[in-house]
Amino acid sequence: KAGVTQTPRYLIKTRGQQVTLSCSPISGHRSVSWYQQTPGQGLQFLFEYFSETQRNKGNFPGRFSGRQFSNSRSEMNVSTLELGDSALYLCASSDGTWASYEQYFGPGTRLTVT
Amino acid sequence: AQSVAQPEDQVNVAEGNPLTVKCTYSVSGNPYLFWYVQYPNRGLQFLLKYITGDNLVKGSYGFEAEFNKSQTSFHLKKPSALVSDSALYFCAVRDRSFQKLVFGTGTRLLVSP
Repeated sequence: KAGVTQTPRYLIKTRGQQVTLSCSPISGHRSVSWYQQTPGQGLQFLFEYFSETQRNKGNFPGRFSGRQFSNSRSEMNVSTLELGDSALYLCASSDGTWASYEQYFGPGTRLTVT
Repeated sequence: AQSVAQPEDQVNVAEGNPLTVKCTYSVSGNPYLFWYVQYPNRGLQFLLKYITGDNLVKGSYGFEAEFNKSQTSFHLKKPSALVSDSALYFCAVRDRSFQKLVFGTGTRLLVSP
């Protein structure tokens, strides 16, 4: 099976702009989770989508949003970008059932905000 | 709230020597614990998990981890380190109800030839 793919891999944006990141999960997986990785805060959970519904949300401002499509692909949007949003954004997929313990991560999108 | 702690920012070990990367956890109830590894410019790769059962868990690439309930620890181990094991290692605990993982701060492992 193909792994989790994320596009684009690298992105440079200016403060105040918005950005959309994409994640395609492993075929058959219905859960997609997003994480932000920064040197200062480490890995932090953003949100999880399952069958097109947001099932869980972390402690991030409303500027961070996401959605999931019927084919399980997910997008994450950040509006009004701030310098502090510079990070590696990782998505992870799983089949989403209670007993599915492993999450499989994509290579990430590195966002730089200038 | 569930949390994990990785007390060492970096671990240095010579190739061929055993390695240990430490992790302690704080959870209510039984923990679901994981180790992931991250190589430069890559995502996280799953190494192993503890859900229930034997306290010694074997995983990928010759790694294993020992779950110790009394010490609330889940240390990652390998009998003989390789230079290629040099990477960033994360311990994580999963929320019991959701897919959310709570990660430790990470430990950089440096294996010298």
